[in-house]
Amino acid sequence: EVQLVESGGGLVQPGGSLRLSCAGSGFDFPSYWMNWVRQAPGKGLEWVANIKPDGSVTYYVESVRGRFIISRDNVNKLLYLQMSSLRDEDTAIYYCAREMVRGVAVNWFDSWGQGTLVTVSS
Amino acid sequence: DIQMTQSPSSLSASVGDRVTITCRASQNINTYLNWYQEKPGKAPKLLIYAASSLQSGVPSRFSGSGSGTDFTLTISSLQPEDFATYYCQQSYSKTFGQGTKVEIK
Repeated sequence: EVQLVESGGGLVQPGGSLRLSCAGSGFDFPSYWMNWVRQAPGKGLEWVANIKPDGSVTYYVESVRGRFIISRDNVNKLLYLQMSSLRDEDTAIYYCAREMVRGVAVNWFDSWGQGTLVTVSS
Repeated sequence: DIQMTQSPSSLSASVGDRVTITCRASQNINTYLNWYQEKPGKAPKLLIYAASSLQSGVPSRFSGSGSGTDFTLTISSLQPEDFATYYCQQSYSKTFGQGTKVEIK
């Protein structure tokens, strides 16, 4: 069974940093693109970032580019999101999600973790 | 950026009703469109990928259609467990629609 378990969320002050982790199990973690998706309180889903299976390519939503870094450890089957210069509007539940890819632009998120809450507040 | 607009934002329906949710893209996205279901306190769940392909394990009362800029998610006979929020997502730049909340009438 595919499992994704996020950790590392918590309360942080504006301008602070936090690192989220996502542990994958039940599948060949090194073979999949992986993603972070967030949901602010009372709002919809927002894709944040993703990373190629070998870690060589990353993409970000414009609002976090330059502040967040996605990375992975394929040996230990871990996905990370290093967040810095955090803002109030980064407050959200952060989900990691496995991406299935079947061609250029043919992709979807077939497995999701339960999420970890990040609260940015003074 | 490709914008995704869902309608309606919310709807009230009864068990057994046929429900249709629409999603419009700001430009042609072929069939690069996915649908997810979200329930409070739970992880989102993939329902439909590539506009019309049913994810394994998802009941056949869910179906998707469309191509280009206009897409629909249909629930043929609403069940109690289907009351949730539904999101479309285009898979070029992974933008989600704003969501459609399906509530009990």
